[in-house]
Amino acid sequence: QITLKESGPTLVKPTQTLTLTCTLSGFSLTTSGVGVGWIRQPPGKALEWLAVIYWDDTKYYSPSLNSRLTITKDISKNQVVLTMTSMDPVDTATYYCAHRRVSGTPRPFDSWGQGTLVTVSS
Amino acid sequence: DIVMTQSPDSLAVSLGERATINCKSSQSVLGSSNNKNYLTWYQQKPGQPPKLLIYWASTRESGVPDRFSGSGSGTDFTLTISSLQAEDVAIYSCHQHYNNLQTFGQGTKVEIK
Repeated sequence: QITLKESGPTLVKPTQTLTLTCTLSGFSLTTSGVGVGWIRQPPGKALEWLAVIYWDDTKYYSPSLNSRLTITKDISKNQVVLTMTSMDPVDTATYYCAHRRVSGTPRPFDSWGQGTLVTVSS
Repeated sequence: DIVMTQSPDSLAVSLGERATINCKSSQSVLGSSNNKNYLTWYQQKPGQPPKLLIYWASTRESGVPDRFSGSGSGTDFTLTISSLQAEDVAIYSCHQHYNNLQTFGQGTKVEIK
């Protein structure tokens, strides 16, 4: 059974850097075709895709946030880490990580973590 | 970016009646090599993460009731709930993964009339 769990601070101050960790279970990012992405959702607003990393270490970022985001994987810990610099109150959102497979015909994100709410406030 | 626009923003449907949600992409999401539309529908209930309902525009995810169906191709897509049940109250979002820069629609809120 594939599960993902997000962890990180619930409150960050403006200008600080946010570091979120997604811990994977039931699958590995060493498996060909597997990817893990980050998606966020401000309260009452739409989902916004942020970044994705694949088994071969290929990475893609949202163009609007590219300069602020870094996604990495730690195979030994079975984790994916997202860092976002220069946090602002508009970045207040629930942050989700999610699994996808792109081997064969690519599938979308099919398993999601429960999400973690991050509030940006001084 | 491919912009995904849903309509309507919200709708209220009587129990047992049909609900229809539309999604339009700013450019085609039809893959040329395999004729697959990289269009997804998610259902999200309050306090929960999105749940995958439909992928490749019309393929139901395992375990999804057959009252949910997806159709369309290219730039215009539809999610239909054939007979609305109380447990279907949720926000439905379309999503494209045609290229490596994925985008979501703004969401459509479905309520009971």
